[in-house]
Amino acid sequence: QVQLVQSGAEVKKPGSSVKVSCKASGATFSSYTITWVRQAPGQALEWMGDIIPIFGSTKSAQKFQGRVTISADISTSTAYMQLTSLTSEDTAVYYCAQHGVPSATPRGNWFDSWGQGTLVTVSS
Amino acid sequence: QSVLTQPPSASGTPGQRVTISCSGSSSNIGSNTVNWYQQLPGTAPKLLIYNTNQRPSGVPDRFSGSKSGTSASLAIGGLQSEDEADYYCATWDDSLNGWLFGGGTKLTVL
Repeated sequence: QVQLVQSGAEVKKPGSSVKVSCKASGATFSSYTITWVRQAPGQALEWMGDIIPIFGSTKSAQKFQGRVTISADISTSTAYMQLTSLTSEDTAVYYCAQHGVPSATPRGNWFDSWGQGTLVTVSS
Repeated sequence: QSVLTQPPSASGTPGQRVTISCSGSSSNIGSNTVNWYQQLPGTAPKLLIYNTNQRPSGVPDRFSGSKSGTSASLAIGGLQSEDEADYYCATWDDSLNGWLFGGGTKLTVL
C-alpha cells in the first residue's frame, strides 16, 4: 500500500496563495488518481478535485474552479494542490488520498490511502 | 448542508449493534457504489467500506455496508470503545461530476 506524506503546516495572509505537496512512496504513483479533500474546523470532509498523474488530467469541484490548481510530478511521485485568493474560510486541514484502483473513470473507485493532512491557517 | 444526508450523531453501549444511514439521490447513491470512512479524533480518515459492501484487509467483519435505492447504511456490530469516531459516507455524483461526502456521523460509545 502506498504511503502519502504531505508538506507541513502553513500560515497565510488573506488574498495570498498556498501550495501543498503530497509525496507517494511504496507503490505505483502515475496510474492512480490522487484526490484532494479538505476539512474546516469541526466540519465535514469536502472534495476539492483530483488528478490522474500519467495523463495530467484534472477535475475540480465547481466551488473551487478558478482558484485551485492540481498538478503532479511523476519523476518525484509528488502531487500538488495550489489554492489562490485565500480567505479565512479556507482555514482547514487539507488531505491528499490515492484512489484504490487505476482507472480513468471515478465510478466504482474509492480513496484508499490518505496523507496525514496539512493545516492551512489564513489569518491577517 | 451536504447533498448526502447522515444523522449528526449516533450512540450505543459496548456489544450493541448500531446503524448509520446515508441518504442521497438517483444521481449519486442511486447509480454508484458507496464508500465509508472512519475518522478517529485528530487523525486522517481511513477507508472502512468500499464498493458499498467490501471491507479492506484489516477491517473487522463487525463492520458491514449495504445499499437500497438511494440510501446506504453502515452497520457496526459488537460495538467497542475504540469505534468512537466520526463516520462519513461518500460516492460519485453523475450530475455534479464530482465526489460527495455526507455530513458525517459522530458515534459515541456509552
